[in-house]
Amino acid sequence: AQSVTQLDSHVSVSEGTPVLLRCNYSSSYSPSLFWYVQHPNKGLQLLLKYTSAATLVKGINGFEAEFKKSETSFHLTKPSAHMSDAAEYFCVVSDRLTSGTYKYIFGTGTRLKVLA
Amino acid sequence: GAVVSQHPSWVICKSGTSVKIECRSLDFQATTMFWYRQFPKQSLMLMATSNEGSKATYEQGVEKDKFLINHASLTLSTLTVTSAHPEDSSFYICSDARTRPVDNEQFFGPGTRLTVL
Repeated sequence: AQSVTQLDSHVSVSEGTPVLLRCNYSSSYSPSLFWYVQHPNKGLQLLLKYTSAATLVKGINGFEAEFKKSETSFHLTKPSAHMSDAAEYFCVVSDRLTSGTYKYIFGTGTRLKVLA
Repeated sequence: GAVVSQHPSWVICKSGTSVKIECRSLDFQATTMFWYRQFPKQSLMLMATSNEGSKATYEQGVEKDKFLINHASLTLSTLTVTSAHPEDSSFYICSDARTRPVDNEQFFGPGTRLTVL
């Protein structure tokens, strides 16, 4: 069965400094991995996705993530944090159902705080 | 723009009443849709998989008689919280499962905040 672990429940960075949000996955086959962001009382917005193409994935708002099979990791990074990046971030792995569709497995989330 | 809508965006109801939440796929014929529940400061918990024209598949621990799901058309799934109680207060989010342009990507609705008094 697929699973995903977000290693930090809270991360604080200063504005303008790099962001690193860590995610490790477990999958019995080549997974699809996603990062979503959720601002308070809002729905989910897709930041980026890995679907077995390039291992370095670029997303919106300057975020990127690198799929490392040897480390079973899919960490999210951004070179320079902005105040508007403060939000909850979810790492997601997809799990194939017998019906042929997929079910998402969500990480527990990382709350990013950006300090002025 | 949004490709999955939810209605209402928020609802307040009295204990013991039933509440229906609609989830619409605006630009895709979704044979499968998902319903999630999110408690404050927690992750999303999958409640059930909604299948067009057939019964929903519920996750372990989710009461199917409490959370009624109907997926009567390819663009609409509804979640009805029956005899709601304060512990049912939560943020409910739906998604649809797409095969285009990327297989297995879900598109999420904006969520419905339910408060039961």
